[in-house]
Parts: sequence; C-alpha cells; structure tokens
Amino acid sequence: AQTVTQSQPEMSVQEAETVTLSCTYDTSESDYYLFWYKQPPSRQMILVIRQEAYKQQNATENRFSVNFQKAAKSFSLKISDSQLGDAAMYFCAYRSANYGGSQGNLIFGKGTKLSVKP
Amino acid sequence: KAGVTQTPRYLIKTRGQQVTLSCSPISGHRSVSWYQQTPGQGLQFLFEYFSETQRNKGNFPGRFSGRQFSNSRSEMNVSTLELGDSALYLCASSSGELLGELFFGEGSRLTVL
Repeated sequence: AQTVTQSQPEMSVQEAETVTLSCTYDTSESDYYLFWYKQPPSRQMILVIRQEAYKQQNATENRFSVNFQKAAKSFSLKISDSQLGDAAMYFCAYRSANYGGSQGNLIFGKGTKLSVKP
Repeated sequence: KAGVTQTPRYLIKTRGQQVTLSCSPISGHRSVSWYQQTPGQGLQFLFEYFSETQRNKGNFPGRFSGRQFSNSRSEMNVSTLELGDSALYLCASSSGELLGELFFGEGSRLTVL
C-alpha cells in the first residue's frame, strides 16, 4: 500500500522569506500523481500545485514550486516570498494513475502547520 | 460559479444513532468523493461516486455508506454511530477528467457523544 509521510508537524517562516515543506512517499507504482493542498483555518482545502510522475520538470505555480525527486520518492514544496495568507495546514497527497479514471482516491500525509510571522 | 456545498455544517449525535450528510458538487461535476478528517488518523478516503456509481471505496466498515443522485448530489450515511466517528467529513467534487482538480467543501463537523 502507498504511504505519504510529512516529517514536519509544524514550520514557521518570516514574512517575505522562503520555506520548504518536506514530503516523502512510498509506492511500487511507476505512474502516479502528487499534490500539495492547503487548508486554511476556515477548513476549505484548495489545490496548491500538482506534479505528474512521468514529467521530469518540476511544477511551478507563481510563488509555489516543487522539488520532485522520483528515485528518492521525495516531493517537497517551496514557498517563496511568504505572505501572511500562506499560513495554513499543508497536505501532501498521492494518487495512483491506475484507478481507471478515478480522481477521488487521494492518500494524504498528516500535514504540516505553517505559521507566517510578520 | 458556486462551490461545493456541504450540509449540515455542524451536528451532534449520540452513540447508536445514525447520520446523513449531504454534498452538492460544483455544477457540471460528476465525481464526488468523501473523506474523514481526524486529528489522529488525518485525512482518510471513504468513497468516490461517478455518475451515480461507486467507483472506489476506502477501508471503512459497512456502517459507512453513500450514494449519488442523478443531479450528482451525494449523501453519505453512518449508522450505529461510535465515539470514534467524531470527525470532520469533507466532500470533494471534480469534473471526472483524468487529472481533474478536486474542489473541497468546508466540511460537516460531526460530534458523537
């Protein structure tokens, strides 16, 4: 079975600085998708960034970028120029590409609580 | 475009009772997934429905069930509630495309006394 591990329960960053959140996963599959989700205190989860395992190029979305190391099964999230609104729980998630079109079955890590200091 | 709507937002039940939670997906979305979120276990996948058919199911006992209607609205039911069922239940909808983004609702907070 696949597992996702986030080893940092809490992280803190100064406003305008850069922070990296770690995520490792375990799978025997070669084709899969990886995601970072953000859950602000209001609890509505939103997608931050996603990466297809067959793509070697790291995904980037504005201030958010990932470092995807497939051989090491590592998928870290870098947030540049941190803003107060970035404070939230961040979840790393894995989805197999073998579920015949099923999008809903995500395996989540336990999350990292990010605080942003003004 | 309205987001994913979950009702009720908060509810309190006692052990042995049953509960039904509702989820209205984004208009046009045909896939609805349910997750249970607890401090101890984190986010765990319950099941996914697509066009009224259960497409995937997580590792939960048979007390947890769901269904999807022709308008894509979905309900989940938990029977014979246990204290450990206290959780935030999240619903997510997607278009059904291969890499369709999941859009989450704000959740239904269930407390079992």
